[in-house]
Amino acid sequence: QKEVEQNSGPLSVPEGAIASLNCTYSDRVSQSFFWYRQYSGKSPELIMSIYSNGDKEDGRFTAQLNKASQYVSLLIRDSQPSDSATYLCAGTIFTGFQKLVFGTGTRLLVSP
Amino acid sequence: NAGVTQTPKFQVLKTGQSMTLQCAQDMNHNSMYWYRQDPGMGLRLIYYSASEGTTDKGEVPNGYNVSRLNKREFSLRLESAAPSQTSVYFCASSLGSGRSYNEQFFGPGTRLTVL
Repeated sequence: QKEVEQNSGPLSVPEGAIASLNCTYSDRVSQSFFWYRQYSGKSPELIMSIYSNGDKEDGRFTAQLNKASQYVSLLIRDSQPSDSATYLCAGTIFTGFQKLVFGTGTRLLVSP
Repeated sequence: NAGVTQTPKFQVLKTGQSMTLQCAQDMNHNSMYWYRQDPGMGLRLIYYSASEGTTDKGEVPNGYNVSRLNKREFSLRLESAAPSQTSVYFCASSLGSGRSYNEQFFGPGTRLTVL
């Protein structure tokens, strides 16, 4: 089992809709989780961090963490065409030092 | 405040050539990382430096070496490039380890092709 798994997509949503991106993780991954947005040909950009069970909201973005079920999700409200990108989920793994492990990303397409 | 910078942006090498990728950060971060990103494989950690003066292997270190020159700079060296090292290379940095300290910030990347 991969440590962090994401559906590669693409996830297609119309403009103005809610986009829901999901990520599951293995027993080795814990504590802190991150969502990065990556536009084609660009570097990953951190958009959300979540450390505790429950929801965390920042503008149009809501991150949700459920440690019992081992999943993390990112909701994007009022999706815009400019949100079209690949979203990377990452969690921390401790092997003497806390490192990030990344999923392969979900491609989101928001159509006007 | 430039964040994380990387040079060069693009590079083409022939098999067997060597090169060094440079990375610098101006955020006073303690930890720095080198990743490679390949289609379908995601971001994979090559080497990291938890703090100035230390370096450790990540998931895919074979064929690479690193130097943490000072707190700001962390370089990645390919001694004898192979076509399997064709990839996009990202440098990242974080304040440190633990809780919010390991939020990582990425540089713009180097696109490397080995012929």
